[in-house]
Amino acid sequence: GAVVSQHPSWVICKSGTSVKIECRSLDFQATTMFWYRQFPKQSLMLMATSNEGSKATYEQGVEKDKFLINHASLTLSTLTVTSAHPEDSSFYICSARGGLYNSPLHFGNGTRLTVT
Amino acid sequence: QKEVEQDPGPLSVPEGAIVSLNCTYSNSAFQYFMWYRQYSRKGPELLMYTYSSGNKEDGRFTAQVDKSSKYISLFIRDSQPSDSATYLCAMSPFENQGGKLIFGQGTELSVKP
Repeated sequence: GAVVSQHPSWVICKSGTSVKIECRSLDFQATTMFWYRQFPKQSLMLMATSNEGSKATYEQGVEKDKFLINHASLTLSTLTVTSAHPEDSSFYICSARGGLYNSPLHFGNGTRLTVT
Repeated sequence: QKEVEQDPGPLSVPEGAIVSLNCTYSNSAFQYFMWYRQYSRKGPELLMYTYSSGNKEDGRFTAQVDKSSKYISLFIRDSQPSDSATYLCAMSPFENQGGKLIFGQGTELSVKP
């Protein structure tokens, strides 16, 4: 089945620094990737839709200057949390679609970010 | 009112029991319905994917969609301790919506040996 790899799986950083999270589709080309955020015991909240070769589309309430998304190739999207604060601590998950826009999403294993 | 409602549980059952997980939704435009399983500190794993109304079976798992009632279910037969996880329902509307999924809150399931 489709495999999505996410790196790193966990990261601790100091307040004010930036953190980059990578999402790769290993065995398929993903024209669209999605970035989610999940707080403990809560569901996934879509942050942004990442389209290869174009600007990401952000959901309402998500700061595009804080959460920078780059989708430079069909197999890689990155999320950079800039000037991180403790309230940015969360579980970030990417997903990708390998086929038609109605095919199911496949998820990475997530990145647990802790900002101290 | 949330677009997708799912009982967060937790739900605890003995090994071998039949488990029923459910979601209701309010948007009649939803056409594609999915169930994901998420283990602690892992990303969601796709279990079942269905289109429109009907049943779909895969091993011990059966997904049901009733669009007239706006209600979907996932049944797990002969439940195993390894089934202990959080189960998320997800759905999407018309195919030209960019593929965004709307998730339920997730139901935490514990299967006791």
